[in-house]
Amino acid sequence: DAKTTQPPSMDCAEGRAANLPCNHSTISGNEYVYWYRQIHSQGPQYIIHGLKNNETNEMASLIITEDRKSSTLILPHATLRDTAVYYCIVRPHNNDMRFGAGTRLTVKP
Amino acid sequence: GAVVSQHPSWVICKSGTSVKIECRSLDFQATTMFWYRQFPKQSLMLMATSNEGSKATYEQGVEKDKFLINHASLTLSTLTVTSAHPEDSSFYICSAIPAYGTAYEQYFGPGTRLTVT
Repeated sequence: DAKTTQPPSMDCAEGRAANLPCNHSTISGNEYVYWYRQIHSQGPQYIIHGLKNNETNEMASLIITEDRKSSTLILPHATLRDTAVYYCIVRPHNNDMRFGAGTRLTVKP
Repeated sequence: GAVVSQHPSWVICKSGTSVKIECRSLDFQATTMFWYRQFPKQSLMLMATSNEGSKATYEQGVEKDKFLINHASLTLSTLTVTSAHPEDSSFYICSAIPAYGTAYEQYFGPGTRLTVT
């Protein structure tokens, strides 16, 4: 069962903010929202995670709606190197990561 | 951050032979490691969960006798593809959860591309 829904692809202009949405309407109270990305032919890279509060780190910001049924990953100033497939995953802390189809983000010059 | 390595990064083998892929956590101990498989233009599919010192837990549809997993130490897990066939050609990725701390991050290896001819 797909726990998250993401658009299959998005484009973003270099230097602009990239806002990647994720729907997780069936999220449980003990499940966190994680974001990973995978650049072509590499292993996934951790970006950020959160439970219910908005989070920010050096890579991105995570905005989670109050009802926790959706979230948005924000890359504030996208670069060409941010072109990748972005995966939104919900899971309790110690469980395995199960990947959906993700969003293929293309940053264009 | 923590580093997970895989060896080899790519391998070509003949149909019917076996190939072993190593996954190592370089600067942390991992009680749990995971193995994924990724076909071209598809997402990662979890194959099995590997716990140090115990038998691996395989996902439904994954043949445990074909994909042998050994997690003999806190820093090493191996995946052996036995009697490989061309349909086993794929990108194999491992990940590890540190034995310490909050374990909210899974660290992923760079992947191993297997081509069976």
